Amino acid sequence: QTVVTQEPSLTVSPGGTVTLTCASNTGAVTSGYYANWFQQKPGQAPRALIYSTNNKHSWTPARFSGSLLGSKAALTLSGVQPEDEADYYCLLYYYGGPWVFGGGTKLTVL
Amino acid sequence: QVQLVQSGAEVREPGASVRVSCQAYGYTFSNYYMHWVRQAPGQGLEWMGIINPNGFSTHYAQKFQGRVTVTRDTSATTVYMELSSLRSEDTAVYYCARELPGGFFDYWGQGTLVTVSS
Repeated sequence: QTVVTQEPSLTVSPGGTVTLTCASNTGAVTSGYYANWFQQKPGQAPRALIYSTNNKHSWTPARFSGSLLGSKAALTLSGVQPEDEADYYCLLYYYGGPWVFGGGTKLTVL
Repeated sequence: QVQLVQSGAEVREPGASVRVSCQAYGYTFSNYYMHWVRQAPGQGLEWMGIINPNGFSTHYAQKFQGRVTVTRDTSATTVYMELSSLRSEDTAVYYCARELPGGFFDYWGQGTLVTVSS
C-alpha cells in the first residue's frame, strides 16, 4: 500500500521560516511525482498553492515555494504570516495509477 | 471565470447509492482531467478517482474499486461521481478538482456533504 507521509503538526513564529515535507514509502520523490501542495482552512475547500513540484499559481503568495529536498517534496514558507495558519496537504502521482494525498500538516503560527 | 459548481448536500441510508455532480464553467471542458476527493469529518483529504478529458478513461483508488463510478457529460460540462453500497464511514465532504494534464491542479468545487445515516 502506498503511503505518503507529512509532519502531523508544525509551529512557527510570525515572520519565521518553516519547511513542510512530503515523503513516499516507495522511495525518493522525484519530479515525476508531480507534487502538488494545497492549503485548507477550516470550513473551506482546499486551495492549490504549488503544482508539479515547484510551480506557483498566479494567486500563490511569493513567500510560498516548492522544491525537492533530499528524497522528499517540500513546501517552504518564508516570512510566515498569521493568515498562513492552516492545514497543508501534498499530493503525489504514481505512474500509471493513482494519486495519493499525504496525511496533512497542521501549521500553527504562534 | 473558472468555476466548479457541485450539487447540494445529500442524506442516504446505509446500502444506498449517491450521485454528486460537478458542473464546470469558464473554460474548455474537454481539455482537463477531473478528480474526485473526499474528506471525512476531522480527517485529511483522500483521493478517489479521475476521469480523462475525453471521458473514455477512468482510474480509481483501490479502496473504492467496484463502488465508485465517475462519468462525464461533455455537452453539459458536468462530471458525476456515483458511490454505491454506502456505509456510515462514507459520510464526508466530496470535492471535484480539475487538472490540466501534467499535474497542474488548480480549481476545486465548493464541496458536497454526503451523510450516511439510518
